Amino acid sequence: NAGVTQTPKFRILKIGQSMTLQCTQDMNHNYMYWYRQDPGMGLKLIYYSVGAGITDKGEVPNGYNVSRSTTEDFPLRLELAAPSQTSVYFCASSYSGGAGGYTFGSGTRLTVV
Amino acid sequence: TQLLEQSPQFLSIQEGENLTVYCNSSSVFSSLQWYRQEPGEGPVLLVTVVTGGEVKKLKRLTFQFGDARKDSSLHITAAQPGDTGLYLCAGNSGGSNYKLTFGKGTLLTVNP
Repeated sequence: NAGVTQTPKFRILKIGQSMTLQCTQDMNHNYMYWYRQDPGMGLKLIYYSVGAGITDKGEVPNGYNVSRSTTEDFPLRLELAAPSQTSVYFCASSYSGGAGGYTFGSGTRLTVV
Repeated sequence: TQLLEQSPQFLSIQEGENLTVYCNSSSVFSSLQWYRQEPGEGPVLLVTVVTGGEVKKLKRLTFQFGDARKDSSLHITAAQPGDTGLYLCAGNSGGSNYKLTFGKGTLLTVNP
C-alpha cells in the first residue's frame, strides 16, 4: 500500500512563479486535506475536500487553489508565489473525516526566493 | 475557534526516564488523537480516544482523555532514543465537522 503520495519532495520557486503540488491516495478515502507546517506554528489547514467535486477553504486559503476531480487526487496550486508561502506542505486523507484519524503524506518542502 | 495548547513545547531527557506531555483546551472534543512526527516525515497516528476518562496503552505509551473531554495526556515510561520526535495532539468536535484542530506540538529528544 502506497498510502498518501506527495510530489515533489523539495522545490525552490522564484517570487511570482506558479506550481502545483501533487497528492494522490490509494485508500479510496473520501476526505482529503492540505496543511502547511511552519516552525513552532503547528499545522494550519489550507483547503479540504469531502469528496470528488467538493472542496472548501480552511484557515489559510489565500494564495492557494485546489481541485478534486477524482477520489484519488487532490492537487494544490500556488499562483504567484510569495516568500510567505515558504513552508512544508502536507497532504492527508481520511476514511471517516476528523474522527477517524488522518493518513499523511511525507510532505513537500517549498522555498520561495 | 477551538484551540489546543500543548505543554511543554520542548523536552529533552535521558534514556530510561519517564515523561508526560499535556494537551489542553477550553473546548469539548468528541475525540482526540495523538500523532508522532519524525524529521522529514508526515505525522503518524498513534491513538484515538473518544470517551471521557478513557485510558489507552500502546506498549510504553499511555494516553488519557480527560473526564470532561477537554484535555489529554501522553505518558511515556522508560523513554528510548527511538521515541524522539514531535508529538502532536489533534481534536475533532464531531457532528458534521470533518476537520481536526492541531496543537503546536511537543518536541521530545531522548538522549542515549
